[in-house]
Amino acid sequence: GENVEQHPSTLSVQEGDSAVIKCTYSDSASNYFPWYKQELGKRPQLIIDIRSNVGEKKDQRIAVTLNKTAKHFSLHITETQPEDSAVYFCAATRGDSSYKLIFGSGTRLLVRP
Amino acid sequence: DAGVIQSPRHEVTEMGQEVTLRCKPISGHDYLFWYRQTMMRGLELLIYFNNNVPIDDSGMPEDRFSAKMPNASFSTLKIQPSEPRDSAVYFCASSRTSGGAPGELFFGEGSRLTVL
Repeated sequence: GENVEQHPSTLSVQEGDSAVIKCTYSDSASNYFPWYKQELGKRPQLIIDIRSNVGEKKDQRIAVTLNKTAKHFSLHITETQPEDSAVYFCAATRGDSSYKLIFGSGTRLLVRP
Repeated sequence: DAGVIQSPRHEVTEMGQEVTLRCKPISGHDYLFWYRQTMMRGLELLIYFNNNVPIDDSGMPEDRFSAKMPNASFSTLKIQPSEPRDSAVYFCASSRTSGGAPGELFFGEGSRLTVL
């Protein structure tokens, strides 16, 4: 079945630096890749997503890149701020056109002031 | 819209008791998902519904777990009998298809279950 691997599990950066989180997926037919942010004690919330027909998408300080050949996608956060500290989850759909999102194991990002 | 509403927010029960978690999805959303979150296993999909019909329940741990969606505005996840290893945060989420493609998942605030 579909498997999504996420690295690193924890990431600590200095405020203002960039942070990169990487995910790989196993099903080559996967076509939708969202990223969710979960603050401590809160619900996961979508921050950005990308579909398989594009290679990159950007929204202010956040960008996502997709490499379909290598089956990996990455989240890039530039000019990090303390409020970016949270757990970030990548996800991918199964390739059978279902809407079953499989999540990665999460990355705990700490932005040091 | 009030978003996805879950109840109870917290539940503490003893092993062997029945637990029922409830969810009201966002009006107009045609997909409903139940996820379980633990430190060890992350976010696991238990079951999801499309137009009130269960589509995939392969993530349901065992027969002690059951889920229903009697109508478009209500779903339940039941655990009977509960065990300490069921302790977790259970999230309900809903989404609406957009142009035949997956839409954003909107999560409820979660139900934190502790089984003693």
